[in-house]
Amino acid sequence: EAGVVQSPRYKIIEKKQPVAFWCNPISGHNTLYWYRQNLGQGPELLIRYENEEAVDDSQLPKDRFSAERLKGVDSTLKIQPAELGDSAVYLCASSLGSTSGTATYEQYFGPGTRLTVT
Amino acid sequence: AQSVAQPEDQVNVAEGNPLTVKCTYSVSGNPYLFWYVQYPNRGLQFLLKYITGDNLVKGSYGFEAEFNKSQTSFHLKKPSALVSDSALYFCAVRDIKDYKLSFGAGTTVTVRA
Repeated sequence: EAGVVQSPRYKIIEKKQPVAFWCNPISGHNTLYWYRQNLGQGPELLIRYENEEAVDDSQLPKDRFSAERLKGVDSTLKIQPAELGDSAVYLCASSLGSTSGTATYEQYFGPGTRLTVT
Repeated sequence: AQSVAQPEDQVNVAEGNPLTVKCTYSVSGNPYLFWYVQYPNRGLQFLLKYITGDNLVKGSYGFEAEFNKSQTSFHLKKPSALVSDSALYFCAVRDIKDYKLSFGAGTTVTVRA
């Protein structure tokens, strides 16, 4: 079974430039998460999707961050414009949600995108 | 609010010795508890979870963890560590009524040959 796929793996941009990250979750996983992991810290949730609906975006800085999951499968996270403080690893994860009828609780993570803003 | 504390930034052990990585948590309700491992330049890999039932849970690669409700702890253990266990370990908690997963800051484990 293929795992969570993310691209690109690395991205270096100048501040004020836009950047986008892509994630394809595990097949059949209707719940998708975007996390940000700063150096030396654990991941912090940015947004959670149930199918195509963003059910928790309370931690997403909406002035510059946006996300979409139009068909309820893959997702894109965008930053525009990027700031120096956005340098981090952006992780995507997926899990079977409560609507699936199969109760499982662990999230499966992709390899992440390491963003460096100069 | 929920939170996780991993009191040790680093744990160093010799290969073949037992390994323990400590974790304490705080949630308002009943917890679901998880351990993940992260190797350099890779995402987090799921190791094990406590949902309900037996307080001792067994997971991947010979790891186990013990849920202690009175001490609000969920320490990760391995009876005999391998050099390949050297990695960054994260404990995570969520309330059973919520999907939000809160992670600790991580513990770097180094196993020396």
